[in-house]
Amino acid sequence: SQQGEEDPQALSIQEGENATMNCSYKTSINNLQWYRQNSGRGLVHLILIRSNEREKHSGRLRVTLDTSKKSSSLLITASRAADTASYFCATGDTGGGNKLTFGTGTQLKVEL
Amino acid sequence: DAGVIQSPRHEVTEMGQEVTLRCKPISGHNSLFWYRQTMMRGLELLIYFNNNVPIDDSGMPEDRFSAKMPNASFSTLKIQPSEPRDSAVYFCASRIRPYEPQHFGDGTRLSIL
Repeated sequence: SQQGEEDPQALSIQEGENATMNCSYKTSINNLQWYRQNSGRGLVHLILIRSNEREKHSGRLRVTLDTSKKSSSLLITASRAADTASYFCATGDTGGGNKLTFGTGTQLKVEL
Repeated sequence: DAGVIQSPRHEVTEMGQEVTLRCKPISGHNSLFWYRQTMMRGLELLIYFNNNVPIDDSGMPEDRFSAKMPNASFSTLKIQPSEPRDSAVYFCASRIRPYEPQHFGDGTRLSIL
């Protein structure tokens, strides 16, 4: 079952603009992760934020987590054509195995 | 460093045939995951292993699916007999320890005719 629901499903922006994607989830989590998937390829890990963290940065990426609202957002600043991909949030459960449940994804298109 | 390696990249076969998908995780990673991705259902976890032992196979659709991990560097996912609804992209991922990121292979695109 899909734990994370992402919004929007698709996003089209111009190069240089910022892109914001949102993720909502339903159950308690240990961490939340964001992954990128280019067409025909596997998922690539971008950033992990733990449940006791509120914000995290990595290069042009900024992730926020609000556990009271069970939501997260991913901001990509100064987007590039190479950022065109699908982006997925994944919630890690609190069990010992820390299974991931993936959201439905946001398709981002960055146009020149 | 070599990433997760999956084979074959593409497989086309007829309904009823046995299909075997293969995965080599990253050396030193203790957990291995098999996922299935379709347009309708998104990315679903089928089964995962810790230290070569299957921990949770609740996502395996039915008895036609089986997975093994005979050693730390190799896993297989088998479908027998295959059906058209099994058509999907199957991903393998590995992880060094719990609460760390997963590393994905490039998947096997499976088409059952």
